[in-house]
Amino acid sequence: KAGVTQTPRYLIKTRGQQVTLSCSPISGHRSVSWYQQTPGQGLQFLFEYFSETQRNKGNFPGRFSGRQFSNSRSEMNVSTLELGDSALYLCASSLEGQGLAYEQYFGPGTRLTVT
Amino acid sequence: AQKITQTQPGMFVQEKEAVTLDCTYDTSDPSYGLFWYKQPSSGEMIFLIYQGSYDQQNATEGRYSLNFQKARKSANLVISASQLGDSAMYFCAMREGRRGNKLVFGAGTILRVKS
Repeated sequence: KAGVTQTPRYLIKTRGQQVTLSCSPISGHRSVSWYQQTPGQGLQFLFEYFSETQRNKGNFPGRFSGRQFSNSRSEMNVSTLELGDSALYLCASSLEGQGLAYEQYFGPGTRLTVT
Repeated sequence: AQKITQTQPGMFVQEKEAVTLDCTYDTSDPSYGLFWYKQPSSGEMIFLIYQGSYDQQNATEGRYSLNFQKARKSANLVISASQLGDSAMYFCAMREGRRGNKLVFGAGTILRVKS
């Protein structure tokens, strides 16, 4: 079974631009979560989508948005990029949306550099 | 608010020896799940072990075991018979409640296994 895939793996953008990152979950998984990882702030939850609906949202500004398609693939968008948005963006998928025992499978991440 | 604390920024262990990575958590929700993830230098998060708040026994997965002390709110990871390939960053994470998949991560512990 294929794992979680993220594209692109690396990205360089300029301040003020916008960027879209893509995540394809494991087949059959309906929950997709996004995390930002930086050396200063560590791993922080961005948002979770389940069956095309945003179910949880972290404490990030409105410049960060996402969506999920009917095939469970998800995209996240960051508008008006800032230098501080440089990070590793990790996507995770889970088999079921409720319950505590469902592990999240992470993708390899997209490393975004903003110059 | 939920919080995860990992007090060991870095640890060294001799190959074939056991090592304990500390994790304490804080939550007011009686229903929660605790996770440990390994992140090698490649960046991908690898699930290691899970402990539910209502589980009566400590979780074990191969060389990994979780020393769960609910009253102390600690969930330490024990790696037995360390291998060179265990060198990585290790994260403790918690998920609260029975909805959604938001994980809150600790700052992580870098483990280096010496030959």
